[in-house]
Amino acid sequence: AQSVTQLDSQVPVFEEAPVELRCNYSSSVSVYLFWYVQYPNQGLQLLLKYLSGSTLVKGINGFEAEFNKSQTSFHLRKPSVHISDTAEYFCAVGLNTNAGKSTFGDGTTLTVKP
Amino acid sequence: NAGVMQNPRHLVRRRGQEARLRCSPMKGHSHVYWYRQLPEEGLKFMVYLQKENIIDESGMPKERFSAEFPKEGPSILRIQQVVRGDSAAYFCASSISRGLNTEAFFGQGTRLTVV
Repeated sequence: AQSVTQLDSQVPVFEEAPVELRCNYSSSVSVYLFWYVQYPNQGLQLLLKYLSGSTLVKGINGFEAEFNKSQTSFHLRKPSVHISDTAEYFCAVGLNTNAGKSTFGDGTTLTVKP
Repeated sequence: NAGVMQNPRHLVRRRGQEARLRCSPMKGHSHVYWYRQLPEEGLKFMVYLQKENIIDESGMPKERFSAEFPKEGPSILRIQQVVRGDSAAYFCASSISRGLNTEAFFGQGTRLTVV
């Protein structure tokens, strides 16, 4: 079985500041790792994913994440946030044998203040 | 190419009524996944279906919930005799296959409110 822990439920930051949203996972088998963003009353949009290869993954909207196998982490970062980045962010792990069956963390609410 | 379409977007039901949630996958996708998001929580996997088959229902409550994905038409998640605890956002995702490098795309969800 897999599990995901998002270490911060709320992250307030000022506009143009850097941000890191933390995610740790556990799994006994190989997994894929994902970050999704959810705007209010909207569905989930994929920000980035790690399948294999380079441990630094770049995604949309200037986000990137680094896979650290030894620490079982997949933290999301952005060097300079905008007001429009205010949203809920979900880290998820998926089995490498099934694209759509994922285990999600409880989410981190990013609030960007002017 | 339209994305995953879910309807209705919002659904209000009284306790004891039935709720039917629909999901039309992306064109060419034959794999559908349903998730439930309770308030202040992440998404929880419910069921995985391929055309006419339930492949994995390990996340489905044992009673009152059922899902289908017929040969023609959308996938349906059905909740009978709804209770207040069923109030949640229900998301559907679809994928073209289930293997390596395949991505699942999510719909915008149906928000069910039981009054």
